[in-house]
Amino acid sequence: GAVVSQHPSWVICKSGTSVKIECRSLDFQATTMFWYRQFPKQSLMLMATSNEGSKATYEQGVEKDKFLINHASLTLSTLTVTSAHPEDSSFYICSASASQGNIQYFGAGTRLSVL
Amino acid sequence: TQLLEQSPQFLSIQEGENLTVYCNSSSVFSSLQWYRQEPGEGPVLLVTVVTGGEVKKLKRLTFQFGDARKDSSLHITAAQPGDTGLYLCAGSKAAGNKLTFGGGTRVLVKP
Repeated sequence: GAVVSQHPSWVICKSGTSVKIECRSLDFQATTMFWYRQFPKQSLMLMATSNEGSKATYEQGVEKDKFLINHASLTLSTLTVTSAHPEDSSFYICSASASQGNIQYFGAGTRLSVL
Repeated sequence: TQLLEQSPQFLSIQEGENLTVYCNSSSVFSSLQWYRQEPGEGPVLLVTVVTGGEVKKLKRLTFQFGDARKDSSLHITAAQPGDTGLYLCAGSKAAGNKLTFGGGTRVLVKP
């Protein structure tokens, strides 16, 4: 199956700093990438949909200035959590989808801990 | 209120027993996926169902899509400890569209 790599897998940062998470599709071109957030023992909540070369579409309640998404190429999307605070601590997961169909291939996730 | 309601939220059974997880909605979906997620990892796709009434089998796992494409079920026969995990259903309303996830069912299979 298709491989999606997410990096880093775990990051700890101080409150007020920014953190960048990378999502790469290793063996296919991903025209669309999705970013999810998951709190402990809960399901995945979609944060935003990112199409290559265009601005991301954010879900209601997600601050676009807080969670900056860049999808500059067909194999890479990044999520930057700006001025992180302890309440931003969560498990962030990306997925990537090729142009045909809607199968999303998921990365392994990034655990963010903000101190 | 979630668009996709999963039940039960938590299930604890002994090895060898059977279990069923349900995923229900009042909306029609063009396709529905089932995933299993282990702690600290991303979801892994188990199956995609697209046709109303469709039944798919994957070894000891049986997936069913309702005739009206509003609900689905996952049945595990003779569960094993390796089946332990968070089971998630996710629906899509159109090809290429975003997925809506259910709340998840946490399954614990005790040896």
